[in-house]
This record gives sequence, C-alpha cells and structure tokens, in this order.
Amino acid sequence: DQQVKQNSPSLSVQEGRISILNCDYTNSMFDYFLWYKKYPAEGPTFLISISSIKDKNEDGRFTVFLNKSAKHLSLHIVPSQPGDSAVYFCAASAIEYGNKLVFGAGTILRVKS
Amino acid sequence: DAMVIQNPRYQVTQFGKPVTLSCSQTLNHNVMYWYQQKSSQAPKLLFHYYDKDFNNEADTPDNFQSRRPNTSFCFLDIRSPGLGDAAMYLCATSNGGGRSYNEQFFGPGTRLTVL
Repeated sequence: DQQVKQNSPSLSVQEGRISILNCDYTNSMFDYFLWYKKYPAEGPTFLISISSIKDKNEDGRFTVFLNKSAKHLSLHIVPSQPGDSAVYFCAASAIEYGNKLVFGAGTILRVKS
Repeated sequence: DAMVIQNPRYQVTQFGKPVTLSCSQTLNHNVMYWYQQKSSQAPKLLFHYYDKDFNNEADTPDNFQSRRPNTSFCFLDIRSPGLGDAAMYLCATSNGGGRSYNEQFFGPGTRLTVL
C-alpha cells in the first residue's frame, strides 16, 4: 500500500517557466514533508521541507505548498533552470513513527534550454 | 567535507552467494539507515540503527541483516541473494533525538546485480 504517491513519472518544462511537481499521501499521521533531489550516480539530497502546521514554505526559487485537507503537496520551481533536471522525491514522516521517511517513487524533471 | 560513503558503488554477485555492502560516515550521526530502491520505485526502508539499537522494518526479509560495529560504519549483509534483490541500496544518516525532524543525509548508493 503506497502511502506517498507521485503520479507523474516525468515532467518536461521549458527553461525559465514554472515546474510544478505533485505528491499525494494517504496517512493522516504524517506531520512533516520533504522534497529530495537526485542526480544520476548520486544519492538524494535534501531540497526543502514543510511542517504540517504550515501551508507554504519558500526557499529561493523553490516553494512547497501543503494542502492537508486534500492530503496533497506540491513543489514549485520558478524559474526553472537546466541544472534543475533531476529526479525529485517526495517524502513524509511522522513523530509517532520515529521520523522514518516514506518516499514516493519520484518524478523525473527535464528542463529544456 | 563531511559525507556518507558507500562501497562498492557497483556490486555483482551470483544467485545465492552472500554479499556485504558497506557504508561509512564522517558526520558523526547516531542514526544510520539502509534503503532498497528498485527501478522506478520509491526507496524502501529496510532497517535502521539508533546508536547501537537495531530497528528492523516488519516486512524486511530475513535474508537481509545488518551490522554496526561503531558509530562510523554500517554493513548490509544479504545472506542468499535472489534475482529479486537486484536493486540500488542507499545508506543514510541523521542526527537523531528530540521531537523535531532531523534531516537524512544519503550516500551515492550501491547498485547490486544478481546473476
């Protein structure tokens, strides 16, 4: 049973435009959400996170939005750059589960120049 | 630079032949994790160590074992690899403790091929 789902396996965006990556979850116990970015031949690296007490967190070109009622979060990248081309993983965590991460399957983002 | 190192990066083994994957860290983190990631799937937590305490996930097969001889090193042992165990194995660390979330830092992974 997938508790964290990224329904779009891939996304292609033109350089300079907005990239929107989506993630849905089913477990209402999750209280912390993260996005990780992964380049080929490297491990995932932390990008941005959001606590369940917030609905938005911004860090430079990256913004994460959380809609708890819909159990949905999204990552916005504005403007998109070719160096943003990578696999993006959504992950969720819960204090009750010892802060273990539950990952989605990832979305491959390609930013075309 | 502080980091998480995994050796080897690529490992080929034969069906049923035991194999050991290695992870080391210079971050001095007290929590170490092992994830399995099959092609186009989500990384799946196998187990983790909180200091010396081993925590196995309920659905991790008995074929997978782990050792953590000290803070810096953690090993993943696959006793009798099957074709279904071919995957990327990711090691991660975090500074555990308290009630706030602690970021996990990942190594580059070991890609295991089973012939």
